[in-house]
Amino acid sequence: ETGVTQTPRHLVMGMTNKKSLKCEQHLGHNAMYWYKQSAKKPLELMFVYNFKEQTENNSVPSRFSPECPNSSHLFLHLHTLQPEDSALYLCASSQGFQETQYFGPGTRLLVL
Amino acid sequence: AQTVTQSQPEMSVQEAETVTLSCTYDTSENNYYLFWYKQPPSRQMILVIRQEAYKQQNATENRFSVNFQKAAKSFSLKISDSQLGDTAMYFCAFMSAYSGAGSYQLTFGKGTKLSVIP
Repeated sequence: ETGVTQTPRHLVMGMTNKKSLKCEQHLGHNAMYWYKQSAKKPLELMFVYNFKEQTENNSVPSRFSPECPNSSHLFLHLHTLQPEDSALYLCASSQGFQETQYFGPGTRLLVL
Repeated sequence: AQTVTQSQPEMSVQEAETVTLSCTYDTSENNYYLFWYKQPPSRQMILVIRQEAYKQQNATENRFSVNFQKAAKSFSLKISDSQLGDTAMYFCAFMSAYSGAGSYQLTFGKGTKLSVIP
């Protein structure tokens, strides 16, 4: 695998389910990001990690819980989501802050 | 806070023709980075081009070039010799060059959907 990979690519879940999104980067980068992409809206930054440490939480509801066990892996744990959380969730990585961010293919999430 | 505006929700261009996508931004900072990203249908978002605000020379990448007008806070993307594979959503994005809180944050526009017609 090269670049930034995300699994699963598609996910359908009920509001009471718990699921996790996985992101892996093969670029040797130190920073990783979660974004939410909703229709008709700009991409929204959710979380930022630098050297495994969370540096930003952009007022994201607690039903989204990130985890970064190492600089190559990033997870987004989901529980008791709402239908309005349905979106494309994108992971990105960069060598450092202010460096170009490289994106994964995203996970298309549908909450029923 | 910075804002990025893409005023053209949708555009179309004939294959082999040239098209220009508009982007304006609002910032009080003097040093920053600007980006154009491309997101093909159901595919990965990829970087098209990056511009440092301190560089006067416009960035180019093969058929893609920008017209960076710092005073006007304008950053348009020109695609020459359009190809069918250029069909995608194009996003303009801004990043501050100053260190500190939020310096890593990419602020995106809402995107322009470009269709290349055979």
